[in-house]
Amino acid sequence: DTEVTQTPKHLVMGMTNKKSLKCEQHMGHRAMYWYKQKAKKPPELMFVYSYEKLSINESVPSRFSPECPNSSLLNLHLHALQPEDSALYLCASSQGLTVDEQFFGPGTRLTVL
Amino acid sequence: SQQGEEDPQALSIQEGENATMNCSYKTSINNLQWYRQNSGRGLVHLILIRSNEREKHSGRLRVTLDTSKKSSSLLITASRAADTASYFCGGATNKLIFGTGTLLAVQP
Repeated sequence: DTEVTQTPKHLVMGMTNKKSLKCEQHMGHRAMYWYKQKAKKPPELMFVYSYEKLSINESVPSRFSPECPNSSLLNLHLHALQPEDSALYLCASSQGLTVDEQFFGPGTRLTVL
Repeated sequence: SQQGEEDPQALSIQEGENATMNCSYKTSINNLQWYRQNSGRGLVHLILIRSNEREKHSGRLRVTLDTSKKSSSLLITASRAADTASYFCGGATNKLIFGTGTLLAVQP
């Protein structure tokens, strides 16, 4: 299984809502990533988990809270988001600590009203 | 910003023609990767070239890397309509930093 899955595909939320994005991989990869992508822009790294521990936080606002419950799952908890947080959120995984080939999920299209 | 630059921003060619995209990056890297993204979808890894390599081939893809100029190029030969997508280079250190991307349109 060489797939990274993400749920939900689409999410619309108000600024006072709390929601979570989920990501799952069963390739035995030990590094997992969250990226944010605005329209017509490249993906921007948000967080990196290595061996289930947060190793990189790219100065992301605290209204985004990542969680890695186990080696296969990665969550992104959302709270009190702003309309400018509307974007495509991509999850990716790679085999280990060396940044080699990353496998991306299809993304969650988030709209904040 | 550590973000790399790609040119051209957009490229339109006919099926069967070759497409060349260029990438420049700012910091020393361990490897340089190229990804394709179809509209609004996840990225798909195409090819990786390590910092001690100068050229690499994979099917219709040819990648070059010039670490002295901090630049790379991706050549797609004999393009097909299905190659229509955005292409991103990514310089890898302890993380992957993507370039600005090239939007390729292949006309049938």
